[in-house]
Amino acid sequence: DSGVTQTPKHLITATGQRVTLRCSPRSGDLSVYWYQQSLDQGLQFLIQYYNGEERAKGNILERFSAQQFPDLHSELNLSSLELGDSALYFCASSPSPSNEQFFGPGTRLTVL
Amino acid sequence: AQSVTQPDIHITVSEGASLELRCNYSYGATPYLFWYVQSPGQGLQLLLKYFSGDTLVQGIKGFEAEFKRSQSSFNLRKPSVHWSDAAEYFCAVEGAGSYQLTFGKGTKLSVIP
Repeated sequence: DSGVTQTPKHLITATGQRVTLRCSPRSGDLSVYWYQQSLDQGLQFLIQYYNGEERAKGNILERFSAQQFPDLHSELNLSSLELGDSALYFCASSPSPSNEQFFGPGTRLTVL
Repeated sequence: AQSVTQPDIHITVSEGASLELRCNYSYGATPYLFWYVQSPGQGLQLLLKYFSGDTLVQGIKGFEAEFKRSQSSFNLRKPSVHWSDAAEYFCAVEGAGSYQLTFGKGTKLSVIP
């Protein structure tokens, strides 16, 4: 158990819908990262927050957005969902940027 | 841009045999290097990391990796594989100041009893 929690574990929804994935980092970690794992793209970095501020952005679609709240938990919002958005979404946390990242168990999103 | 290549998609070894998983990276300077393991239906667990210093790093579960700057490689090794090592292994790099991990495509390890 890494100490990073993600909810929900599984999510099934339809195309065009919007969903929110939630992540609670390890106690004391200020940085939160989001990754997408799909069969065709592999593991891809989406976005990073540090103490509430966006620090780095990867291959994140405009339909996706994220934020980190004052209590340091983070949410990833996915809207206008497409079949291709079906994937495993991981959250990771670290004490500070460029420290080792601890991954949560992931949220499996299925878009039908 | 940084990139990671894991040339072996799938490797099968017998229990008790030695293991080497290959990883090559592309980055202008010396990056931070990581190996993660993912068991079916699980998240990623850090096996070991290299930031600087000794180029041979020891990790958990009996794994080690060697950083070779001249070959841009960071291969993962284990002298004797156990059935419980069957999983997918990911090599990752982080460029200094990039704050993001770039992963290889992964190598799936199967272990024959």
